[in-house]
Amino acid sequence: AQSVTQLDSHVSVSEGTPVLLRCNYSSSYSPSLFWYVQHPNKGLQLLLKYTSAATLVKGINGFEAEFKKSETSFHLTKPSAHMSDAAEYFCVVSDRLQAAGNKLTFGGGTRVLVKP
Amino acid sequence: DTAVSQTPKYLVTQMGNDKSIKCEQNLGHDTMYWYKQDSKKFLKIMFSYNNKELIINETVPNRFSPKSPDKAHLNLHINSLELGDSAVYFCASSLKLTGGNYEQYFGPGTRLTVT
Repeated sequence: AQSVTQLDSHVSVSEGTPVLLRCNYSSSYSPSLFWYVQHPNKGLQLLLKYTSAATLVKGINGFEAEFKKSETSFHLTKPSAHMSDAAEYFCVVSDRLQAAGNKLTFGGGTRVLVKP
Repeated sequence: DTAVSQTPKYLVTQMGNDKSIKCEQNLGHDTMYWYKQDSKKFLKIMFSYNNKELIINETVPNRFSPKSPDKAHLNLHINSLELGDSAVYFCASSLKLTGGNYEQYFGPGTRLTVT
């Protein structure tokens, strides 16, 4: 069984300051981990993914995440927030060795508010 | 060039009606999915098809019936709609790879409102 916990339902930052979105996961096998972003009334866009290669993963729009197996964490960071980063962010886990397809399990989401 | 498209984008209907949502992908993927996002933004998988074969079928009422006429299309038919079916439904697609995972590409969503 797999699960994801996003530790903050809301995060508020000022423009130009760092962003940290926290994610912990549980997985029976070797996990693949993803961060998706959803802007208001839009679909989901992939920010970055971890699939057993480098533990520090760089994504689009200046985001990056670090896979820490010992902490079962996959926190998302960005050094300097932009107004356009205001959105809902989802941490997602998938077991790479599962037989029954590519089943994603989503965290509850973190809403990011960026203040000018 | 939309990669994963859904129609309609909005759907308002009354309880008891039957409705369908269509999904198409032009990415050459062999696996497609339906997800439901509730009012609290929680996303949960409903179904997955690989090459027109059902491979994931979560605990979903049998009023929901997916149909995949070919690997580029996955439609969702809902019978006897209920108030609790109101949600945003997302279609997604990916490649299926044993021993690894490719990311899923999502459509723009269909907002279903049942009155």
